[in-house]
Amino acid sequence: DAGITQSPRYKITETGRQVTLMCHQTWSHSYMFWYRQDLGHGLRLIYYSAAADITDKGEVPDGYVVSRSKTENFPLTLESATRSQTSVYFCATRGAVSYEQYFGPGTRLTVT
Amino acid sequence: AQSVAQPEDQVNVAEGNPLTVKCTYSVSGNPYLFWYVQYPNRGLQFLLKYITGDNLVKGSYGFEAEFNKSQTSFHLKKPSALVSDSALYFCAVRDKGTDKLIFGTGTRLQVFP
Repeated sequence: DAGITQSPRYKITETGRQVTLMCHQTWSHSYMFWYRQDLGHGLRLIYYSAAADITDKGEVPDGYVVSRSKTENFPLTLESATRSQTSVYFCATRGAVSYEQYFGPGTRLTVT
Repeated sequence: AQSVAQPEDQVNVAEGNPLTVKCTYSVSGNPYLFWYVQYPNRGLQFLLKYITGDNLVKGSYGFEAEFNKSQTSFHLKKPSALVSDSALYFCAVRDKGTDKLIFGTGTRLQVFP
């Protein structure tokens, strides 16, 4: 099911570089989310969006920027990557009236 | 604050035996609860949810979960485990104040042949 896709799937970058992770959905879901998954922490919410042009901070937003000019896209930008941002990043969507979220395949980011 | 706890980092079970993965929650009011599964190098997949109604909820792949209000638990169960059930399982609760999902730290299920 290609309803939600993430790119790239793997990325290696250097400390201080800007990196953008892409998320695209074909379901026209209102809500979109960005999580990071780290051992021992489970999933932590970075940012979320309730609709186009509406975004809000999650649990761990520092060092990240998001935008949502179109319903189907929700890019996540690391303005100046740090080693602590090495993680697996998941994008998720949710419909307006349901509460379960649907996850993309993830992007494994390594910051050297 | 709303939260969920998964008290076991890992659960081991023999194929064919019943399995239980535990989850307890702390919320004000009636909880909205979810279970997800994550296979290696994949995103999380939605298994089932409890919003209201019957305390026994049936989901995908033969899994079910039992909501117990008095024990504030939402344990995931399956009558007969398969090796292919081996994965990481996450419990989650909806935070009513923000409408976001709060995830537990996950339980790794290992099913041995």
